[in-house]
Amino acid sequence: GDSVTQMEGPVTLSEEAFLTINCTYTATGYPSLFWYVQYPGEGLQLLLKATKADDKGSNKGFEATYRKETTSFHLEKGSVQVSDSAVYFCALRDDKIIFGKGTRLHILP
Amino acid sequence: GAGVSQSPSNKVTEKGKDVELRCDPISGHTALYWYRQSLGQGLEFLIYFQGNSAPDKSGLPSDRFSAERTGGSVSTLTIQRTQQEDSAVYLCASRREDFYNSPLHFGNGTRLTVT
Repeated sequence: GDSVTQMEGPVTLSEEAFLTINCTYTATGYPSLFWYVQYPGEGLQLLLKATKADDKGSNKGFEATYRKETTSFHLEKGSVQVSDSAVYFCALRDDKIIFGKGTRLHILP
Repeated sequence: GAGVSQSPSNKVTEKGKDVELRCDPISGHTALYWYRQSLGQGLEFLIYFQGNSAPDKSGLPSDRFSAERTGGSVSTLTIQRTQQEDSAVYLCASRREDFYNSPLHFGNGTRLTVT
């Protein structure tokens, strides 16, 4: 069945560092791909999405490119802030929506 | 407008008891999902209701788990004969279906503790 694999955390970085959180997927069809974020004490919310190969989703300085050839959707940000500390979930939608296990990110001031 | 509402927010129950968790989706959202979030397991899919279609129950971990959605709106997740491994946060989410990739809107979850 469909699945999502993302790098295990926690990931700890200093402010202004470059961030990559890896995500790969397995799907029988042509899924849409998403990153959701859960800030401390808040519910999950959509961060960005991409619906077809080579699409780039972007929001709040974060980007992810849908790579069909490597079945990947890695999340990147050029300069992280303390306020980016959260748990990040990669997800796919083929029929139902499947999530990865989440990656906890800590940004140190 | 109102978001997805879940109740109770916290539930402590004794092993072997039955529990019911409630989800009120956003009005007009015809797709409704239940997930379980536990430490080290991430966000585990449980069940998916899509309009009038038969629900996708492929994520339910055992026959002690069941869910209903009445009138296409409110949903109830029932866990019978609870076990300690059922302790987790149970999240409900809803989305519109008239827009293919509309985002999921999550509730704040019900934290279930089985003692």
